[in-house]
Amino acid sequence: DQQVKQNSPSLSVQEGRISILNCDYTNSMFDYFLWYKKYPAEGPTFLISISSIKDKNEDGRFTVFLNKSAKHLSLHIVPSQPGDSAVYFCAARGYGQNFVFGPGTRLSVLP
Amino acid sequence: GAGVSQSPSNKVTEKGKDVELRCDPISGHTALYWYRQSLGQGLEFLIYFQGNSAPDKSGLPSDRFSAERTGGSVSTLTIQRTQQEDSAVYLCASIPTSGEVPEQYFGPGTRLTVT
Repeated sequence: DQQVKQNSPSLSVQEGRISILNCDYTNSMFDYFLWYKKYPAEGPTFLISISSIKDKNEDGRFTVFLNKSAKHLSLHIVPSQPGDSAVYFCAARGYGQNFVFGPGTRLSVLP
Repeated sequence: GAGVSQSPSNKVTEKGKDVELRCDPISGHTALYWYRQSLGQGLEFLIYFQGNSAPDKSGLPSDRFSAERTGGSVSTLTIQRTQQEDSAVYLCASIPTSGEVPEQYFGPGTRLTVT
């Protein structure tokens, strides 16, 4: 029972273009959504988050959009840079400070 | 300041042996989580400690797995009678008491290989 899904295991984008990573969830009680980036042999690092009461949050090149009716969120990276190549995890906070992570999407930004 | 640290970074053990994995969270962080990531998979929640409250053990896959957190700081994850399917990267994360955004700070992980 995957409560948080990232249906694209991988994504390749040309440098300078937009990267769009998608995430779908099933539990309407999730109140916070977070994106993490993970490089090989390192732990995930926090990237950006959004509260369930908002529909957009922007931080520099990164923007997260939340569509509650569709239970869908997306991470936009503009412009994409080679250093953005990593695995991106979508996470959602549920009841009692539990977090559910998606399986991740591997982003490759091609120079 | 120092981040979350984990030791050992790598552990190779024989099937049937017990292993202990250690996590040192960021000082002052009251919440501590353990996850594991099997090859090609996402992060699987194992256990969560919050202050002095009873831990949420709902993610532990079997009674071979246990964890404790001493003095509200260092945590140890113990796996008894290891099996090959226990091979994974075990990640620890902590969250500060205050702050609006529930951002988790992750350690580098311990890669466990059971032969």
